[in-house]
Amino acid sequence: GQNIDQPTEMTATEGAIVQINCTYQTSGFNGLFWYQQHAGEAPTFLSYNVLDGLEEKGRFSSFLSRSKGYSYLLLKELQMKDSASYLCAAFHGSSNTGKLIFGQGTTLQVKP
Amino acid sequence: DADVTQTPRNRITKTGKRIMLECSQTKGHDRMYWYRQDPGLGLQLIYYSFDVKDINKGEISDGYSVSRQAQAKFSLSLESAIPNQTALYFCATSGTSGGSTDTQYFGPGTRLTVL
Repeated sequence: GQNIDQPTEMTATEGAIVQINCTYQTSGFNGLFWYQQHAGEAPTFLSYNVLDGLEEKGRFSSFLSRSKGYSYLLLKELQMKDSASYLCAAFHGSSNTGKLIFGQGTTLQVKP
Repeated sequence: DADVTQTPRNRITKTGKRIMLECSQTKGHDRMYWYRQDPGLGLQLIYYSFDVKDINKGEISDGYSVSRQAQAKFSLSLESAIPNQTALYFCATSGTSGGSTDTQYFGPGTRLTVL
């Protein structure tokens, strides 16, 4: 079966670093996505990992370990506007038949 | 202009009514998806379509139907709406090949309330 787990809520301070973890169990795993979603808005793409290791994009980085079924999203130099939900999603299946399985999302609150 | 649009953005209806939610995209993508989002439950896949002649059920298709009228249009229907279909509905699109082109791009959402 498919299962994605991530913490429900996290709180961090402006300027700090926060790490949001995600574990997954999906058959036919073929990549891990992170999305950001502000309340009442559409999810927007942040990052994609298919190979083990760290992908860095400015203040945001994402890490994947396929052998451990584990990923994290690292947010540096937190800003108030980073308060949002962060969705972990595992792509399973082939490129012709695959689809995304989403976790329930982690709501991050950034405090001054 | 937005690449993925949804109409209506908000809808309040009554139990038993038929409702259609529409999605259009200008990204030239072949793949389109419908999700619903409930508080604390994340995004759940209702239906998806990999091209105009391909329609597939997702995790929670009961009570819903879809129509892929063209590459750019994918509509979701609730034949007889019920209160537990009250949710935020998102349409999404993605490209055809594997890897990062499977990235899904979401429309702004439709907030549906069934009384």
